Amino acid sequence: QKEVEQNSGPLSVPEGAIASLNCTYSDRVSQSFFWYRQYSGKSPELIMSIYSNGDKEDGRFTAQLNKASQYVSLLIRDSQPSDSATYLCAVNLPSGTYKYIFGTGTRLKVLA
Amino acid sequence: KAGVTQTPRYLIKTRGQQVTLSCSPISGHRSVSWYQQTPGQGLQFLFEYFSETQRNKGNFPGRFSGRQFSNSRSEMNVSTLELGDSALYLCASSGGTGAEAFFGQGTRLTVV
Repeated sequence: QKEVEQNSGPLSVPEGAIASLNCTYSDRVSQSFFWYRQYSGKSPELIMSIYSNGDKEDGRFTAQLNKASQYVSLLIRDSQPSDSATYLCAVNLPSGTYKYIFGTGTRLKVLA
Repeated sequence: KAGVTQTPRYLIKTRGQQVTLSCSPISGHRSVSWYQQTPGQGLQFLFEYFSETQRNKGNFPGRFSGRQFSNSRSEMNVSTLELGDSALYLCASSGGTGAEAFFGQGTRLTVV
């Protein structure tokens, strides 16, 4: 079983809709969770970090964490064509180090 | 505030050669981690350095090595290059107020 799993997609949504991206992780002791956006040919860009159960909102983005169910999700409201990218979920274990385990990413396509 | 700087941006090497990649983290960050990204495997953790010490190492052969200097700049070396080493090599800087990692633009290595 992979440590961090994401549906590879592509996930296609119409412009203006809500895009919902999901991620599950296997290690129950994981403490820190991150969402990155990566455009083709570019490096990953941090969008959100979330550390405790519940929702965290930042502009059009909302991260949701449920440690009991071991999943973290990202909602993108009012999706724009410029949101079309691959979204990577990352997990940091509580080892006191900065080692991150990444999912393989979900490709999002926002249709104009 | 300057971001993470990786050099060079592109490299073409021949099988059997060696290569050295450089990463300068965000000012004040003491952790540098390295990742290899390929289309088939996604982002794979190579190693993490903190205050000149390697704290974590991923599952890569000994041909992959690294080091960190007292100014937190890090280098990664790959010896005896193989065709399969062709990838985007990403450096991440951490150690700010949270556990977030910030990526450089990456070095695209092509082995021919």
